[in-house]
Amino acid sequence: DTEVTQTPKHLVMGMTNKKSLKCEQHMGHRAMYWYKQKAKKPPELMFVYSYEKLSINESVPSRFSPECPNSSLLNLHLHALQPEDSALYLCASRLTDREYGYTFGSGTRLTVV
Amino acid sequence: QQQVKQSPQSLIVQKGGISIINCAYENTAFDYFPWYQQFPGKGPALLIAIRPDVSEKKEGRFTISFNKSAKQFSLHIMDSQPGDSATYFCAASRMDSSYKLIFGSGTRLLVRP
Repeated sequence: DTEVTQTPKHLVMGMTNKKSLKCEQHMGHRAMYWYKQKAKKPPELMFVYSYEKLSINESVPSRFSPECPNSSLLNLHLHALQPEDSALYLCASRLTDREYGYTFGSGTRLTVV
Repeated sequence: QQQVKQSPQSLIVQKGGISIINCAYENTAFDYFPWYQQFPGKGPALLIAIRPDVSEKKEGRFTISFNKSAKQFSLHIMDSQPGDSATYFCAASRMDSSYKLIFGSGTRLLVRP
């Protein structure tokens, strides 16, 4: 299995809703990432987990809450989002080895109404 | 120092032509330089990557040229095809597990039939 699987593919939520994005990989990668991508822009890093511990939070608002329950799974919990949070949310993973690069999932297209 | 500058912003090439995208970086601690291809609504997919100890890497129609002294690298797409029409991002990183990818701003490539 050489994929990063993200669910759901599309999500529409109201500003008062609570939802979660899920990311799964079975490649044995020990670093996992959440990126946010707005239209016609490059991905922007949100969070990094290394060996299931949060190692980087790029000053992301607390309405985004990451969780790494185990080495294969990464969640992003969403609460009280704003319309400007609408974007493509990408998960990526990386093996902690010098020979391997990042693998991205296909993303979750989030629309906040 | 953390930036990666990418040019051009957009590129139109005739089928069979050569597409060339350029990137420049400042941080000499970077030791991993990937190129990603992204189709609309999809996550970035790793196309080809290079380490600074080599000056060129070729995979099929895709070649990275790397100039360490100038701190520049470029992607050449030979015999460009309409199916290559996508957004291309260069990036830079370090190989330790938690370090983030620094993306260029992206190049939208259109290959005309």
